[in-house]
Amino acid sequence: DSGVTQTPKHLITATGQRVTLRCSPRSGDLSVYWYQQSLDQGLQFLIQYYNGEERAKGNILERFSAQQFPDLHSELNLSSLELGDSALYFCASSMYGEVKNTGELFFGEGSRLTVL
Amino acid sequence: EDQVTQSPEALRLQEGESSSLNCSYTVSGLRGLFWYRQDPGKGPEFLFTLYSAGEEKEKERLKATLTKKESFLHITAPKPEDSATYLCAAPVSSGSARQLTFGSGTQLTVLP
Repeated sequence: DSGVTQTPKHLITATGQRVTLRCSPRSGDLSVYWYQQSLDQGLQFLIQYYNGEERAKGNILERFSAQQFPDLHSELNLSSLELGDSALYFCASSMYGEVKNTGELFFGEGSRLTVL
Repeated sequence: EDQVTQSPEALRLQEGESSSLNCSYTVSGLRGLFWYRQDPGKGPEFLFTLYSAGEEKEKERLKATLTKKESFLHITAPKPEDSATYLCAAPVSSGSARQLTFGSGTQLTVLP
């Protein structure tokens, strides 16, 4: 158990809809990272928050947004969903503001999104 | 462009048959090379970090090594429970911070 909690574990929805994925980081960790994993794209970095502030952006679509709350949990909002958004969405946490050689990321078990 | 490339994509071994997985990288100013294990439907689990060429780390039947251009994950006398996807990753600059960029992984199957 990594200590990172993600909900829901599974989500099935229709095209055009909006969903929210939630992540609670490990106790004491200030950074939350969101990754998307699909069969053809591998694990792709989306966005990072550190202590409530956006720290870095990766390949995140404009239809997607995220935030980190004062209690450090984070939510990833996906809107105007398309079939291609079906994927596993992982949250990871660490204590640092950026990846260090001694600061590995701890991943949750993911939220599997299916868009029909 | 900073890249992390893994080979082979898939590897099937008999129990006890040792082998190696490769991770080659083109990352300027490398600051660590990470190995993760991912079981089906689960999140990646951290295995090792290697920081400098020549460094080696071991954990049970796994040993990771690092050169200036690539890293190897050696699996000695594997067991079926070692079956998983093994991912390597390197920190790549993304705006004001470094982010872990992952390779596409090697799916290892160990047959009893």
